[in-house]
Amino acid sequence: AQTVTQSQPEMSVQEAETVTLSCTYDTSESDYYLFWYKQPPSRQMILVIRQEAYKQQNATENRFSVNFQKAAKSFSLKISDSQLGDAAMYFCAYVTNFGNEKLTFGTGTRLTIIP
Amino acid sequence: DVKVTQSSRYLVKRTGEKVFLECVQDMDHENMFWYRQDPGLGLRLIYFSYDVKMKEKGDIPEGYSVSREKKERFSLILESASTNQTSMYLCASSSDGPHEKLFFGSGTQLSVL
Repeated sequence: AQTVTQSQPEMSVQEAETVTLSCTYDTSESDYYLFWYKQPPSRQMILVIRQEAYKQQNATENRFSVNFQKAAKSFSLKISDSQLGDAAMYFCAYVTNFGNEKLTFGTGTRLTIIP
Repeated sequence: DVKVTQSSRYLVKRTGEKVFLECVQDMDHENMFWYRQDPGLGLRLIYFSYDVKMKEKGDIPEGYSVSREKKERFSLILESASTNQTSMYLCASSSDGPHEKLFFGSGTQLSVL
């Protein structure tokens, strides 16, 4: 079974600084998708960034970028110029592109922004 | 603005009660999902549906059932609520399976006393 591990339950960063959230996953598949979802205090999860495993290039969305290391099965999220609105729970997630697809989530990292 | 709406933000029920959690999406999505969120455990899939009248078990279906009579509505049913079902329940939908972007509701915090 696929597993997703987020080893940092909590992180904090000074406003305007850069922070990196870690995620590793375990799979025997070669074709899959990886995601970072953000859950702010409003509780509504929103997609931050999505990476297709067959694409070499790391995905970026404005201040958010990933470091996707396929061989190492690592998928970290970098947030640049951190803002107060970035404070949230961040979940890493994985889904294979084959068979009965079920999205598997990590346990989450709570990010605090220090003004 | 696209929406996934969960009928209750907070719910308190008694042990043994039958509980209905409702979820409605306005995006004409085929796929709908129910997750349970617990601290330290992340999100776990309870049930999902890829079409009207169709349902499939997720990773933790025990004690739950679902209903999807109409495309836009996906209901989660706790047949006989127990205290270990106290949790945050999140509904989500997507246009083409979980490899596409999921749209989430704001969650229902259920307490079973």
